[in-house]
Amino acid sequence: EAQVTQNPRYLITVTGKKLTVTCSQNMNHEYMSWYRQDPGLGLRQIYYSMNVEVTDKGDVPEGYKVSRKEKRNFPLILESPSPNQTSLYFCASSLIARQGTPYEQYFGPGTRLTVT
Amino acid sequence: DQQVKQNSPSLSVQEGRISILNCDYTNSMFDYFLWYKKYPAEGPTFLISISSIKDKNEDGRFTVFLNKSAKHLSLHIVPSQPGDSAVYFCAAARDSSNTGKLIFGQGTTLQVKP
Repeated sequence: EAQVTQNPRYLITVTGKKLTVTCSQNMNHEYMSWYRQDPGLGLRQIYYSMNVEVTDKGDVPEGYKVSRKEKRNFPLILESPSPNQTSLYFCASSLIARQGTPYEQYFGPGTRLTVT
Repeated sequence: DQQVKQNSPSLSVQEGRISILNCDYTNSMFDYFLWYKKYPAEGPTFLISISSIKDKNEDGRFTVFLNKSAKHLSLHIVPSQPGDSAVYFCAAARDSSNTGKLIFGQGTTLQVKP
């Protein structure tokens, strides 16, 4: 089954304790991205990757790191989480369209993170 | 600065009637637009898209209209069904760029009453 998986699905942690949210896709997609969803703000892009070893900042990258060492995996790293990073996080992937803009992204089920 | 706006947080319609969800954008460089649907406890799923070279795209009960001069797009669902109850996000991209960035609106919660 074609899918994007995220782990963990739920996480409660404390300020400053490093954490990693994993994301994996089995569709051989070049493009992967991380979003956070907050009430009244919709989905905001954190980081994205057009291919292995190619990553770039989205609209809200502060406090986050990513890496793309393999095509299928795109982990999101919070080196020192803070309460304002409490949110619902989504990983997504897609094929790269002819002109380089990825359409029709496939989303994972989400990770609800609470930082106290 | 919200470049993509969905000004109606919620919409309620009767089963069988038309649902119209609206989206406005401010960046004239956007030239590709998408709608996603999201159920609770799930990730968003792609619904329909439209390129700026078109003003309408239809897929079954779903039609997206684009008015470039007004920087406005809308999603029509006809007829609406209770299973359409979900949060709908519009998103915009610059097809001509190579940034990979999608900008999403805030979402509109649609409730279709039986």
